[in-house]
Amino acid sequence: GAVVSQHPSRVICKSGTSVKIECRSLDFQATTMFWYRQFPKQSLMLMATSNEGSKATYEQGVEKDKFLINHASLTLSTLTVTSAHPEDSSFYICSATDYRVTEAFFGQGTRLTVV
Amino acid sequence: AQSVTQLGSHVSVSEGALVLLRCNYSSSVPPYLFWYVQYPNQGLQLLLKYTTGATLVKGINGFEAEFKKSETSFHLTKPSAHMSDAAEYFCAVSGGLTGGGNKLTFGTGTQLKVEL
Repeated sequence: GAVVSQHPSRVICKSGTSVKIECRSLDFQATTMFWYRQFPKQSLMLMATSNEGSKATYEQGVEKDKFLINHASLTLSTLTVTSAHPEDSSFYICSATDYRVTEAFFGQGTRLTVV
Repeated sequence: AQSVTQLGSHVSVSEGALVLLRCNYSSSVPPYLFWYVQYPNQGLQLLLKYTTGATLVKGINGFEAEFKKSETSFHLTKPSAHMSDAAEYFCAVSGGLTGGGNKLTFGTGTQLKVEL
């Protein structure tokens, strides 16, 4: 399968600061990227869908001003958690896909801890 | 709209025994179905997928699943469990290429424990 790289794998930040997570498709052009959030021992919840060159579409209940998503190129999408608080601590996972393939490919995930 | 139900949040089997993880789905369009495995603090690894065609699909590590439209099920099986199979397993559904793209709806997951 295709390779999706997510960076960083772990990050600890202070409350009130912002954190940027990168998701890169290394060997294909990803017209669409998805961002998920996973709480401990729970399933993945879709946060937003981003299409290259367009504004992201956020799921109900997800604050778009808090979770800024940029998908400026066909190989890179970023998720910025702004003014992070301890309740934002979670595991964030991206996936990348293209309209010509039948599946999405996942990054390794980012463990965010806000202290 | 789509949804996935995984029966049993925890399943425990003996090493060498049959593994059966249950998944039922609901979809308003012909579904694409997936099984993923997740190890602690890691991303998701695709085990297998059903899109079209043969309803019995084989995946990696000896896993297979059968798409049963009449039962709206996509149960995951493995004939003989190995200690390394202990992990979290997620069933997921998408609408496929014509049904909304590859946006996945996940089940709540099943934690598989393999005992000696």
